[in-house]
Amino acid sequence: ETGVTQTPRHLVMGMTNKKSLKCEQHLGHNAMYWYKQSAKKPLELMFVYSLEERVENNSVPSRFSPECPNSSHLFLHLHTLQPEDSALYLCASSLGLANYNEQFFGPGTRLTVL
Amino acid sequence: DQQVKQNSPSLSVQEGRISILNCDYTNSMFDYFLWYKKYPAEGPTFLISISSIKDKNEDGRFTVFLNKSAKHLSLHIVPSQPGDSAVYFCAASAGGTSYGKLTFGQGTILTVHP
Repeated sequence: ETGVTQTPRHLVMGMTNKKSLKCEQHLGHNAMYWYKQSAKKPLELMFVYSLEERVENNSVPSRFSPECPNSSHLFLHLHTLQPEDSALYLCASSLGLANYNEQFFGPGTRLTVL
Repeated sequence: DQQVKQNSPSLSVQEGRISILNCDYTNSMFDYFLWYKKYPAEGPTFLISISSIKDKNEDGRFTVFLNKSAKHLSLHIVPSQPGDSAVYFCAASAGGTSYGKLTFGQGTILTVHP
């Protein structure tokens, strides 16, 4: 695998379910990001991690819980989501926090909340 | 309040002609601007960027123009090719005040007809 991978690519879940999104980067980067893209809206930054430490939480509801066990992996744990959380969730990475202008994106997970 | 706007949701162009994609911003602290391209089922990929100290940057068929007084930038693709058909996102950052933050527009769907 090369670049940034995300699994699953598609996810359908009920409002009472708990699920997790996974992101893995094979680029040797130290910073990772979660974005949300709702229909016809811009990408919104959710979380930023640098060297496994969260440095940014962009006013995201607590039903979204990120986890960064090491610099190559980033998870987004989901619980009791709402239908309006249905969106494309994109993961990105950069060499370091200072290289935020050079982000490499994964293909995204298309999430549908019923 | 959306700080980066792409007011044209879609653009259709004939192969060989020029494509012009536009982007407006409101935050005068933005000092770096980027264009990303996104194909279906793939993540956004970096295309071209420009610093606020320049008014033009060229890379092959792609040229980005920046008009700071108008808070406007545009991406020119000449000549357009069918493989250029994708969603184009404009993004901006304010390096001196915010690390790790790219602010995106909502995207313009470009279709290049053979």
